[in-house]
Amino acid sequence: GESVGLHLPTLSVQEGDNSIINCAYSNSASDYFIWYKQESGKGPQFIIDIRSNMDKRQGQRVTVLLNKTVKHLSLQIAATQPGDSAVYFCAENTSGDDKIIFGKGTRLHILP
Amino acid sequence: GAVVSQHPSWVICKSGTSVKIECRSLDFQATTMFWYRQFPKQSLMLMATSNEGSKATYEQGVEKDKFLINHASLTLSTLTVTSAHPEDSSFYICSASGRASTDTQYFGPGTRLTVL
Repeated sequence: GESVGLHLPTLSVQEGDNSIINCAYSNSASDYFIWYKQESGKGPQFIIDIRSNMDKRQGQRVTVLLNKTVKHLSLQIAATQPGDSAVYFCAENTSGDDKIIFGKGTRLHILP
Repeated sequence: GAVVSQHPSWVICKSGTSVKIECRSLDFQATTMFWYRQFPKQSLMLMATSNEGSKATYEQGVEKDKFLINHASLTLSTLTVTSAHPEDSSFYICSASGRASTDTQYFGPGTRLTVL
């Protein structure tokens, strides 16, 4: 079936550097995308979202880019900090459907 | 932001017993609540969607007689794992959204179930 997936299961980044986490989706009907951060033993925490009528959205230290042509989504974290260590999930939703479908997740590991 | 709580946060039970997990929206009315299951190092898998006052809609492969869901009020949904077995050990997470279909889902902190 159609699903949202990630290219890399683990990403190691030097503290202070920028992190880029990628996500590919295959459902062309998806029009709402969300990035979540999950720390060990906790529920997902909303980071940022984007709708399909946009290709870029910025938050505090985070930016989400959407390329609908190639069905690709990315999360950029600026000046990565130790507290950014977590598993990051992209998720997708389609208008009229209240379900959110999660991708596989990428673990972000911060190197000292 | 909106707060969703779960109780208990961790439960250990014997095989064959039933366990009830509560999900509460603390400061908003949740028209729809979702239940997810997450195995170690895996993603969240949607189990079912429940709307207040109606029967839950289960995802394919999820046994409705084993995972009983009740959404009796706009602030409370419960998931009961009946006759639990070790393979049911998992992290169960609920989320809740308000009345509008575009409302954000707010996630609870999760409940870790360990079946001995």
